[in-house]
Amino acid sequence: DQQVKQNSPSLSVQEGRISILNCDYTNSMFDYFLWYKKYPAEGPTFLISISSIKDKNEDGRFTVFLNKSAKHLSLHIVPSQPGDSAVYFCAASAGRGSTLGRLYFGRGTQLTVWP
Amino acid sequence: KAGVTQTPRYLIKTRGQQVTLSCSPISGHRSVSWYQQTPGQGLQFLFEYFSETQRNKGNFPGRFSGRQFSNSRSEMNVSTLELGDSALYLCASRILLAGGRETQYFGPGTRLLVL
Repeated sequence: DQQVKQNSPSLSVQEGRISILNCDYTNSMFDYFLWYKKYPAEGPTFLISISSIKDKNEDGRFTVFLNKSAKHLSLHIVPSQPGDSAVYFCAASAGRGSTLGRLYFGRGTQLTVWP
Repeated sequence: KAGVTQTPRYLIKTRGQQVTLSCSPISGHRSVSWYQQTPGQGLQFLFEYFSETQRNKGNFPGRFSGRQFSNSRSEMNVSTLELGDSALYLCASRILLAGGRETQYFGPGTRLLVL
């Protein structure tokens, strides 16, 4: 049962434009969300996170938006650069309960930024 | 500060054998989690250790086990290897505060191939 879903397996964007990666979740217990970037044969690299008490968090070119009522979050990358080309994973965790701290991952979205 | 380190990086085993993977967390991090990444199932949580105790366990058979030492280093063991155990095994560490809302930082992974 996939509790975190990334419905777009791939996204192609021109350099300089905005990249928008989407993520949906089903478990209302999730209250902390993270985005990771992953290159082949490497471990995921942390990008940005957001707590459920916020609806937006920014860090440089990366902004994450959280819509709790829709159980949806998105990652915006502006402007996109060729070095951003990688697989992006959305992850969620619950701050309480038996699954405390465990990360649930989406299947990932392959972002390709072309010149 | 050094990141999460995992050894070995690559491993080839045959069916029926057992394997032990090692993970050293970021200095000061006391929680270590293990994840399995496969093309079919994505990133799946195996277990988490804190202060030498398993806090959480995913839905994997008993052939998968782990432990944590007093210096926070962790090992993961898989016994009676099956072809389906071929995967990238990732270790992640975090400080672990109340609420579980800390970022998990990943190591580069151990690529296991079972023949």
